[in-house]
Amino acid sequence: EAQVTQNPRYLITVTGKKLTVTCSQNMNHEYMSWYRQDPGLGLRQIYYSMNVEVTDKGDVPEGYKVSRKEKRNFPLILESPSPNQTSLYFCASSPRHRANTEAFFGQGTRLTVV
Amino acid sequence: GENVEQHPSTLSVQEGDSAVIKCTYSDSASNYFPWYKQELGKGPQLIIDIRSNVGEKKDQRIAVTLNKTAKHFSLHITETQPEDSAVYFCAASNQAGTALIFGKGTTLSVSS
Repeated sequence: EAQVTQNPRYLITVTGKKLTVTCSQNMNHEYMSWYRQDPGLGLRQIYYSMNVEVTDKGDVPEGYKVSRKEKRNFPLILESPSPNQTSLYFCASSPRHRANTEAFFGQGTRLTVV
Repeated sequence: GENVEQHPSTLSVQEGDSAVIKCTYSDSASNYFPWYKQELGKGPQLIIDIRSNVGEKKDQRIAVTLNKTAKHFSLHITETQPEDSAVYFCAASNQAGTALIFGKGTTLSVSS
């Protein structure tokens, strides 16, 4: 089944404790992206990648890192999480090297930083 | 940069009625306008999209219209059903094609 898989689905952590949210897609898509969803703010892009070893900042990149060492994986790293990073996170992938085509989203990761 | 405004934020209709959600965008270079449906506990899922060279697109009960001059596009759902209840997001691609800029979402409730 074609899908984007995120892990974990739920995570509660403490301020300052490094964490990684994994994202993997099995559709051989070039483009991958991370979004955060907050009430009343919709979905905002954190980082994106148009291909292996090519990443760039989205609208809200502060406090986050990403890597794209393989085509299928695009982990989101929070080196020192803070409470304002409590949010619902989505990974998405799209065919081709651009965002202007259908995006396939993962199920989401609900992160709470206390 | 691109900005997408979406209205209304909430919409309640009776089963069988039509629902319309409207979005405006700021970047005249945007060329791709998708609509996503998000059910509770799930990720957004594409329901219909339209490109800037097309004025209208329809898929069964769902249709999208695009007015490039006015920079707005709309989602139309006819004969609504309770399973249409969800959060709907519009989006527009930015000029570089590197991102989708999303509206803030519309919570649609269809009561039977």
